[in-house]
Amino acid sequence: SQQGEEDPQALSIQEGENATMNCSYKTSINNLQWYRQNSGRGLVHLILIRSNEREKHSGRLRVTLDTSKKSSSLLITASRAADTASYFCATDRWFYSTLTFGKGTMLLVSP
Amino acid sequence: DVKVTQSSRYLVKRTGEKVFLECVQDMDHENMFWYRQDPGLGLRLIYFSYDVKMKEKGDIPEGYSVSREKKERFSLILESASTNQTSMYLCASSHKKGLNNEQFFGPGTRLTVL
Repeated sequence: SQQGEEDPQALSIQEGENATMNCSYKTSINNLQWYRQNSGRGLVHLILIRSNEREKHSGRLRVTLDTSKKSSSLLITASRAADTASYFCATDRWFYSTLTFGKGTMLLVSP
Repeated sequence: DVKVTQSSRYLVKRTGEKVFLECVQDMDHENMFWYRQDPGLGLRLIYFSYDVKMKEKGDIPEGYSVSREKKERFSLILESASTNQTSMYLCASSHKKGLNNEQFFGPGTRLTVL
């Protein structure tokens, strides 16, 4: 069953702007992860945030987690054309290491 | 550099054929996964495995089976391919059960069943 749902479904911005994507989920989680997928390729792990963390940074990426609202956001600062991709959030189920992925946000960064 | 490889990038098969999709990882990971990805539906888990010769059904196992005879290899089998199995198939692996379960993905196999 689907757990994470990303919002918006698609986002179009100019290079240099910031991009924000949101993920909402329904049940308790151990951690939440964000992945990127370039067109027609496999997914690449970006960042993992644990349920007891509120914010995490990695380079130009900033992830927040609000467990009370069951939501997370991914911020990409100073975006580049190379950031054009689909971005997925994934949550793990409490007793297993399987992940449930959302349907993704398609980000288009124009030069 | 960690690596997950899949046997084919593109595959075209006929309805009723038996199809094998192979996945190999070189990271000594315990866990391996097969997903299918369809437009508007995202990634859905087909089967996964925590250890050699061990397999567990995911969310959509119907019409599929798997084999894990060696730790590094996880095969997805379509016993009798049907057109509704046309999809992108993604293999992934991860180190262990628990909190730190970042998954590493292969490049995907785009399967078309005619």
